[in-house]
Amino acid sequence: DIQMTQSSSYLSVSLGGRVTITCKASDHINNWLAWYQQKPGNAPRLLISGATSLETGVPSRFSGSGSGKDYTLSITSLQTEDVATYYCQQYWSTPYTFGGGTKLEIK
Amino acid sequence: EVKLLESGGGLVQPGGSLKLSCAASGFDFSRYWMSWVRQAPGKGLEWIGEINPDSSTINYTPSLKDKFIISRDNAKNTLYLQMSKVRSEDTALYYCARGYDGFRNYFDYWGQGTTLTVSS
Repeated sequence: DIQMTQSSSYLSVSLGGRVTITCKASDHINNWLAWYQQKPGNAPRLLISGATSLETGVPSRFSGSGSGKDYTLSITSLQTEDVATYYCQQYWSTPYTFGGGTKLEIK
Repeated sequence: EVKLLESGGGLVQPGGSLKLSCAASGFDFSRYWMSWVRQAPGKGLEWIGEINPDSSTINYTPSLKDKFIISRDNAKNTLYLQMSKVRSEDTALYYCARGYDGFRNYFDYWGQGTTLTVSS
């Protein structure tokens, strides 16, 4: 199984600031990586697929990057509505696996 | 509008069984891979398994393969998860999710989940 590690389980960032959430795979996943946002009491929402492709309707302040084993979700100009937990997911091979999540809060 | 509506959750005694359902609407259910994902209270997401459109391929996370069975009825636009020999660690919110890519799936639509509580 491919293990996904999000090194920060918690981040606190100022409004309007920039945040970077990292995700590391235990093996190369060739950009088969998705990012999800989950707000309390809600189901996850797909933000990015293919490591960099923003889903329709997702604000352009969200972006994804990376290759090989290392991937990043960036949020610029942080808004209050971005407070959530963010998960990465590899879909290079089954069993699909998620990172442990990064909880983002406003400082 | 794509909708996924899970049902069937509840309180089950350890060692018991339960079958969850996920009713799909707003898309051609028979053309999509579907998955189950669970989330224990206060924890992260865990993929349980997936089923392809004609039920000829079903993949599971290895640790759950012997106790969970995924199936579907395309005529009823419904996905199922049969759970057996449940334990306290199976207590979670169970989501169904639509697979987007086919052979390799990420999840573009999710239901709101149904809760399983395992307790005596």
